[in-house]
Amino acid sequence: DTGVSQDPRHKITKRGQNVTFRCDPISEHNRLYWYRQTLGQGPEFLTYFQNEAQLEKSRLLSDRFSAERPKGSFSTLEIQRTEQGDSAMYLCASSLNTGANVLTFGAGSRLTVL
Amino acid sequence: DAKTTQPPSMDCAEGRAANLPCNHSTISGNEYVYWYRQIHSQGPQYIIHGLKNNETNEMASLIITEDRKSSTLILPHATLRDTAVYYCIVRVRGDYKLSFGAGTTVTVRA
Repeated sequence: DTGVSQDPRHKITKRGQNVTFRCDPISEHNRLYWYRQTLGQGPEFLTYFQNEAQLEKSRLLSDRFSAERPKGSFSTLEIQRTEQGDSAMYLCASSLNTGANVLTFGAGSRLTVL
Repeated sequence: DAKTTQPPSMDCAEGRAANLPCNHSTISGNEYVYWYRQIHSQGPQYIIHGLKNNETNEMASLIITEDRKSSTLILPHATLRDTAVYYCIVRVRGDYKLSFGAGTTVTVRA
């Protein structure tokens, strides 16, 4: 499988709980991105890694959110003390550091906070 | 700050060409036009991109006006599986991220 894998695909949690999403990018891709998408809206950029370095974080990424990419391979996005407003699709994408920089997206992890 | 303007929705007939417009009147010389689409419950999928010249690949054609202020994505023979939200995105060469707008919801009807 050469695509971007995300796990879990669906997560239902109660407000105040912590959740973690995992993304496995295409193996040779050194760039990795997290986006969030709410119903009826386009994806919104959250954060970007080049290899293991987190180079940009959006203002949308509050201090309850943390992302890591140890060893420049898979990445995790953790949300602490979830709120109902965190309910969304969390999308991961990866790309090569080339001129075209085409992003390949995973299918997403849908979070529902009750 | 939206860099592109797209109609919110459009219908097209199965088997016919679908022409999706996008306005990017403030585009600068080093900005590319990218098109992605998102089928329901899936992540966005890359379609095509271009700078000045028209581009064609196995999925679609991209026509960019001479002044580069607008472009059209053409799906030559639309099928029901082309029903999706289509995003037109302007990105500076060398920039690493994409900024999505609301896109155009395209419904292909039998």
